[in-house]
Amino acid sequence: DQQVKQNSPSLSVQEGRISILNCDYTNSMFDYFLWYKKYPAEGPTFLISISSIKDKNEDGRFTVFLNKSAKHLSLHIVPSQPGDSAVYFCAAIDQGGSEKLVFGKGMKLTVNP
Amino acid sequence: EAQVTQNPRYLITVTGKKLTVTCSQNMNHEYMSWYRQDPGLGLRQIYYSMNVEVTDKGDVPEGYKVSRKEKRNFPLILESPSPNQTSLYFCASNGLAGGSANTGELFFGEGSRLTVL
Repeated sequence: DQQVKQNSPSLSVQEGRISILNCDYTNSMFDYFLWYKKYPAEGPTFLISISSIKDKNEDGRFTVFLNKSAKHLSLHIVPSQPGDSAVYFCAAIDQGGSEKLVFGKGMKLTVNP
Repeated sequence: EAQVTQNPRYLITVTGKKLTVTCSQNMNHEYMSWYRQDPGLGLRQIYYSMNVEVTDKGDVPEGYKVSRKEKRNFPLILESPSPNQTSLYFCASNGLAGGSANTGELFFGEGSRLTVL
C-alpha cells in the first residue's frame, strides 16, 4: 500500500514559469512533510519541509502548501530555472509514532530554456 | 565538510559473490539508513540504525545485512548477491540530538550503483 503518492511521473515547464509538483498521502498520522531534490549521479538533497500545524512554508523560490483535509501537498517553484531540472521526491513522517520516513516514487521536472 | 561517503560508487559483480558497500558520515549523527532506488519504485528503505548496536529492518531487508559497531560507519552487506539486487543504493544519516523527533531531514551519500550478473 503506497502511503505517499506522486501520481505524475514527469513535468515539463518553460523557464520563468511556475512549476507545481503534487503529492498525496493516505496516512493521517503523518505530521511532517518534506521535499527532496535529486540530480543524476548524486544523492537526494533536502529541499524544504512543512509541519502539519502549518499550511504553507516558503523558502526563496520554493513554497510548499499543505492541505490536511485533502491529504495533499504541493511544491511550487517560481520562477522555474533550468537548474531546477531534477527528480523531486515527496516524503512524509509520523514523528509521534513510527518516525519512519516514507518516500513517494518521484517526479522528473524538466525546465526548458 | 559535512558528508556521507559511500564506497564503491560503481560495482559489477556476479551472483553469489559476497560484497560490502561501506558508508561513513562525519557529522556524529545517531541515525543512519540504507535505501535502494529502482525505476518506478522510488526510494525504499532497506535497514536503519537509531544508534550504535541498534539496527532494524526497513521495507525491503531480504538479502541484506548491516552492522553498526561505530557511530560513523554503517556498512551494507550482501552475503550472496542476486540479479534482483541490481540497483542504486544510498546511505543516509540524520542527527537526532537529545532524542528529539526525527524530522526526516536526511543527508544522503552520492550513491553506489551495483550490478549483479
